Amino acid sequence: AQSVSQHNHHVILSEAASLELGCNYSYGGTVNLFWYVQYPGQHLQLLLKYFSGDPLVKGIKGFEAEFIKSKFSFNLRKPSVQWSDTAEYFCAVNGQAGTALIFGKGTTLSVSS
Amino acid sequence: GAVVSQHPSWVICKSGTSVKIECRSLDFQATTMFWYRQFPKQSLMLMATSNEGSKATYEQGVEKDKFLINHASLTLSTLTVTSAHPEDSSFYICSAPDRAKVNTEAFFGQGTRLTVV
Repeated sequence: AQSVSQHNHHVILSEAASLELGCNYSYGGTVNLFWYVQYPGQHLQLLLKYFSGDPLVKGIKGFEAEFIKSKFSFNLRKPSVQWSDTAEYFCAVNGQAGTALIFGKGTTLSVSS
Repeated sequence: GAVVSQHPSWVICKSGTSVKIECRSLDFQATTMFWYRQFPKQSLMLMATSNEGSKATYEQGVEKDKFLINHASLTLSTLTVTSAHPEDSSFYICSAPDRAKVNTEAFFGQGTRLTVV
């Protein structure tokens, strides 16, 4: 079955710490991969996406993710988090652009100042 | 960037009544729109796919007679929760891809918080 697994349910970091959120997927065939962020009380915002090409993808707000096909992974990273990064982070996948997404359960990131 | 507008942002209704949620693509056309449901502290679960000019496709376990979807134009899809009950209280989110673009993500509305009392 198609699925997305996010390993970390809740991550707590201090400002300036480095961040890595894990995401593994189970999906037959070609995949498109996404990371979304949901700030408290706000709607989903796309952080970055991978369709093809360079497996290291850079997104907004200093985030990046690396697609490792052999590991079925698309981990999100940021070298130095800020208090304003406190939010819910969702990894998602689809097999074709424009189709519905399968979401992971999300990771809550709490950053203390 | 592309904008999807969802209305209302929040609604409280009495048990047994119906509620309509609108999802509009403001600056692009969408032949397909997706409706998701998000429970507190949980992920988004796809409920159904609305298709302009044809019937919606529902995910397994979603009651099509309870969650009526209409996609009457290339910029508007509506979700009507009929005979709402407290267990229908949730956060409903729509998204839509721009049909004119390839390799693009779907854009999300701001969501509708439904509370049934």
